[in-house]
Amino acid sequence: KAGVTQTPRYLIKTRGQQVTLSCSPISGHRSVSWYQQTPGQGLQFLFEYFSETQRNKGNFPGRFSGRQFSNSRSEMNVSTLELGDSALYLCASSGDRVGREQYFGPGTRLTVT
Amino acid sequence: GDSVTQMEGPVTLSEEAFLTINCTYTATGYPSLFWYVQYPGEGLQLLLKATKADDKGSNKGFEATYRKETTSFHLEKGSVQVSDSAVYFCALSAENTGFQKLVFGTGTRLLVSP
Repeated sequence: KAGVTQTPRYLIKTRGQQVTLSCSPISGHRSVSWYQQTPGQGLQFLFEYFSETQRNKGNFPGRFSGRQFSNSRSEMNVSTLELGDSALYLCASSGDRVGREQYFGPGTRLTVT
Repeated sequence: GDSVTQMEGPVTLSEEAFLTINCTYTATGYPSLFWYVQYPGEGLQLLLKATKADDKGSNKGFEATYRKETTSFHLEKGSVQVSDSAVYFCALSAENTGFQKLVFGTGTRLLVSP
């Protein structure tokens, strides 16, 4: 089975711009979660989507949003980028079993200048 | 809220040494517990998991036991290799989020020298 894929792998944006990141989950996985990883804050949960509905949400401002399509692929969008948004954004997918593990993609490295 | 505490790194060991990375957690109910590993420039790889008390997760020589009484999930390996050098993250997922939100520790960097 192919793993979780994320595109693009690297991105450089200017403050004030917006960005869209894409994630394709493992085939058959309907849950997709997003995490932000920074040296200062570590790994923080952004949100989780299941069957096109946001099921869980972390403590991030409204500039961070996401969506999921009927094929389970997901996108996250960050509007009005700030320097502090520079981070590795990780996507993870999981199946439906209780106690299910999440499988991560390689991440998108976003740099805001 | 739910939280995970890991020992500070880096942990520096010689090849074939014994490894322990401590992890304790705070959560209501019975969370699922995980260890993930991150190699430079890569995403997270699931190393092992345990979903109930006294479960032992194991993979590639690494082991961790879910201890409810001490709220711990310490990672151990009997003989580390240079290729084990990476950052290790302890994490939990709780029932109140449908086990879908991972809460991570700060990570522990392991450096193994030949």
